[in-house]
Amino acid sequence: KQEVTQIPAALSVPEGENLVLNCSFTDSAIYNLQWFRQDPGKGLTSLLLIQSSQREQTSGRLNASLDKSSGRSTLYIAASQPGDSATYLCAVMSGGSNYKLTFGKGTLLTVNP
Amino acid sequence: DARVTQTPRHKVTEMGQEVTMRCQPILGHNTVFWYRQTMMQGLELLAYFRNRAPLDDSGMPKDRFSAEMPDATLATLKIQPSEPRDSAVYFCASGFERGSDYGYTFGSGTRLTVV
Repeated sequence: KQEVTQIPAALSVPEGENLVLNCSFTDSAIYNLQWFRQDPGKGLTSLLLIQSSQREQTSGRLNASLDKSSGRSTLYIAASQPGDSATYLCAVMSGGSNYKLTFGKGTLLTVNP
Repeated sequence: DARVTQTPRHKVTEMGQEVTMRCQPILGHNTVFWYRQTMMQGLELLAYFRNRAPLDDSGMPKDRFSAEMPDATLATLKIQPSEPRDSAVYFCASGFERGSDYGYTFGSGTRLTVV
C-alpha cells in the first residue's frame, strides 16, 4: 500500500526566503507525482505534475524535483511571498491501471510579511 | 475555465439523516473520484469511477455510504444514516487520460457537519 509522507508538517518563514518542502513515498512504482496548493476552506489547485520519466518541473517561482528510485520529491519556492501562504499537498499516482492519487497530509506554509 | 461543480457547498444535518452530495464533472473527463478530508486523516480516497463504471470503493464504509454515477454529468455520494464521525469535507475530482498524460481537477468541496 502506497504511503506518502510530508515534512515538515508546518513551516513559517519571513517574506523573501527560499524554501523547500519535502515529500516521500514508499512504493516507487508510480506514474506521476503532483504538488497541489490548498487555501483555507477551498479546494485543491494543481501546481506541478512530474511524470515518472521526468526529474523536475518548473513553473514561475516553483520548482519540483522527483527522485523515483529513492521515493522522494521536493518543492522549491523561490523568493517566498505572503500570498504563498497555504497548505501544500503532495500526491502520487500509483502504478497499475487504477490511476488513484495517494496524498500526503500536507505542509502548512506561512510566509510572514 | 472548465470546473468541477459540487453541491451543496455546506451541509449541516442531524445524526441519522440521509445526506446526498452531488458532483458535476468536467465534460469529456472519463474518471471521477470522491475524497474525504479530515484534520486527522488528511485526504482519503472513498471511491472512483472510470467511464461511469465503479472501479474501486474499498475506502468507503459500505454499510452507510454509496456512490453512483447515473450519467456522465452527475456523480453522487450518499450517506445513510449519517453519523457525527462523517463530519468532513468531501471533494470530487474529475480526470482525463490521454496516452501517458493525466490531469485532475478538484471541486471546491462539500463541508458536511453531522450533529
